[in-house]
Amino acid sequence: RKEVEQDPGPFNVPEGATVAFNCTYSNSASQSFFWYRQDCRKEPKLLMSVYSSGNEDGRFTAQLNRASQYISLLIRDSKLSDSATYLCVSHVTMTGAGSYQLTFGKGTKLSVIP
Amino acid sequence: GAGVSQSPSNKVTEKGKDVELRCDPISGHTALYWYRQRLGQGLEFLIYFQGNSAPDKSGLPSDRFSAERTGESVSTLTIQRTQQEDSAVYLCASSLDFTYEQYFGPGTRLTVT
Repeated sequence: RKEVEQDPGPFNVPEGATVAFNCTYSNSASQSFFWYRQDCRKEPKLLMSVYSSGNEDGRFTAQLNRASQYISLLIRDSKLSDSATYLCVSHVTMTGAGSYQLTFGKGTKLSVIP
Repeated sequence: GAGVSQSPSNKVTEKGKDVELRCDPISGHTALYWYRQRLGQGLEFLIYFQGNSAPDKSGLPSDRFSAERTGESVSTLTIQRTQQEDSAVYLCASSLDFTYEQYFGPGTRLTVT
């Protein structure tokens, strides 16, 4: 069973549309989450961190539902420049350091169409 | 401030040769990660360094792969006797510590011919 699952897409949406992606995680010990965007042939760049129930930054809103073990990313008023792959990451906080505690999803591809 | 840097940006090597990839993390970041990303695929965790703790090598695909980190600074990833399936982008990331978000370098694109 994959620990972090995302719909690979692609999601093709017109400019100005609102689009939402869901990411489910299997490890209930996951305590914090991140959304990254990755443009084609580029490195992932941090979009948003989620440490509690959610976070909002301009057109982007992330919401965390611990009961159902999913985190969502909502993009309002989509721009052409939002076209990218969006990676969901869960972090399991364990006592002390020393072991890798992050799980990346494989990403959801978004294409915003003029 | 300066981000994570990696060198070289591109490397073409012949099958069977050894390669060394370098990562300079953000100053002050105690955690450093190496990932591999094949074309069109997700990130594959390779190895993780946190401060002076023993590194987590659980993601290294074979004993041809090794990595070192000097204190809390530069890290090198070494691939011995490269194979064609090693062709990928190798990404390095660093974070303030293991609880914080990661910042990625631009990656090294490795092509094994």
